[in-house]
Amino acid sequence: DQQVKQNSPSLSVQEGRISILNCDYTNSMFDYFLWYKKYPAEGPTFLISISSIKDKNEDGRFTVFLNKSAKHLSLHIVPSQPGDSAVYFCAASDTGNQFYFGTGTSLTVIP
Amino acid sequence: GAGVSQSPSNKVTEKGKDVELRCDPISGHTALYWYRQSLGQGLEFLIYFQGNSAPDKSGLPSDRFSAERTGGSVSTLTIQRTQQEDSAVYLCASSLLMLAENYGYTFGSGTRLTVV
Repeated sequence: DQQVKQNSPSLSVQEGRISILNCDYTNSMFDYFLWYKKYPAEGPTFLISISSIKDKNEDGRFTVFLNKSAKHLSLHIVPSQPGDSAVYFCAASDTGNQFYFGTGTSLTVIP
Repeated sequence: GAGVSQSPSNKVTEKGKDVELRCDPISGHTALYWYRQSLGQGLEFLIYFQGNSAPDKSGLPSDRFSAERTGGSVSTLTIQRTQQEDSAVYLCASSLLMLAENYGYTFGSGTRLTVV
């Protein structure tokens, strides 16, 4: 049973525009949320996090939004760059220890 | 080392053979995790080690899978009598427990296992 869902397997965006990646979860006990970025043949790398006490966290071009009532989070990348092309995973946890991952969204930024 | 190291990076094995996958976590990281990613799937949790506590094995898909962590450092994931459905990328990750919720895990590059 998938507790974290990324319903869009792929997304294409023009360079310079905004990329919005979405993630939904089912467990209302989840308190910590992470986004990871994965290039081919590499392990996922941590990108940005948010805890349930916040509804927004920003780091440079990356902003994560959390809507607890809707059990939804999103990652905004603006402006998008070709180097952002990768698979993005969201992950959630209720303890901060074991994280549950979504199936990933493959982002392609078109130059 | 500077990062999480996994070996081998690729493994092709015949159905029915046993395989061992190795993970060297970041020095000082107390938590170690194994995940796998099958084609078209998300990251599937397998097992979690934390210090000297009993591991959380709740994600292991069958009794053909086992893992150990020696001396609180290196971990080995063993798959016995491999089946074709075991083909996947096996990812190891480690973390400083208290920082996991802020910075997540540090993943290795994975071992791509192909069972033929």
